[in-house]
Amino acid sequence: GAGVSQSPSNKVTEKGKDVELRCDPISGHTALYWYRQRLGQGLEFLIYFQGNSAPDKSGLPSDRFSAERTGESVSTLTIQRTQQEDSAVYLCASSLYGISIDEQYFGPGTRLTVT
Amino acid sequence: GDSVTQMEGPVTLSEEAFLTINCTYTATGYPSLFWYVQYPGEGLQLLLKATKADDKGSNKGFEATYRKETTSFHLEKGSVQVSDSAVYFCALTSTSGTYKYIFGTGTRLKVLA
Repeated sequence: GAGVSQSPSNKVTEKGKDVELRCDPISGHTALYWYRQRLGQGLEFLIYFQGNSAPDKSGLPSDRFSAERTGESVSTLTIQRTQQEDSAVYLCASSLYGISIDEQYFGPGTRLTVT
Repeated sequence: GDSVTQMEGPVTLSEEAFLTINCTYTATGYPSLFWYVQYPGEGLQLLLKATKADDKGSNKGFEATYRKETTSFHLEKGSVQVSDSAVYFCALTSTSGTYKYIFGTGTRLKVLA
């Protein structure tokens, strides 16, 4: 079946503008994760959704970042008043149950460039 | 908190050489351990995993053993190929709060023909 998809694949925006990134997880996967990958660095956890539970927002770097998920489907990551340090690849992943042994399936990412 | 330390790259090897990429972790509980690979121009994909101590994960000739006593999960391959050139990430599932991944910084491998 289809994997995790993300849109747009690339986004160039001016400093101070808002951006919205979209993730479509694998159908049936209850858990959804957002990560950020800065150039030359590892992946940094941002936020986690699991079913109807309250999301784990502990990785969001500032209140300019927010995310929503509609049921067990699409998720949107919003960055308000973008800054140059927000430039990175934003990766979405989903897993079947969100438990420790689950494999996470990653999307291709959205490359965000803030000019 | 939980963390993963991975050897610095890049690693450059000749084809058929032996590969080791070191990974050690710090965790308060009993995490699951993973190696993910990112081939050029592609997304992250699972290479192998181990979910408890002494488990060995293996795939595509790669192996890693979950060593609780040394808190390590080193990736090995006996004979690398040019097609193995990629960035390799060691990760664990957090043992506190939600099961998010904690990733290492990645190790770039380049295999020369």
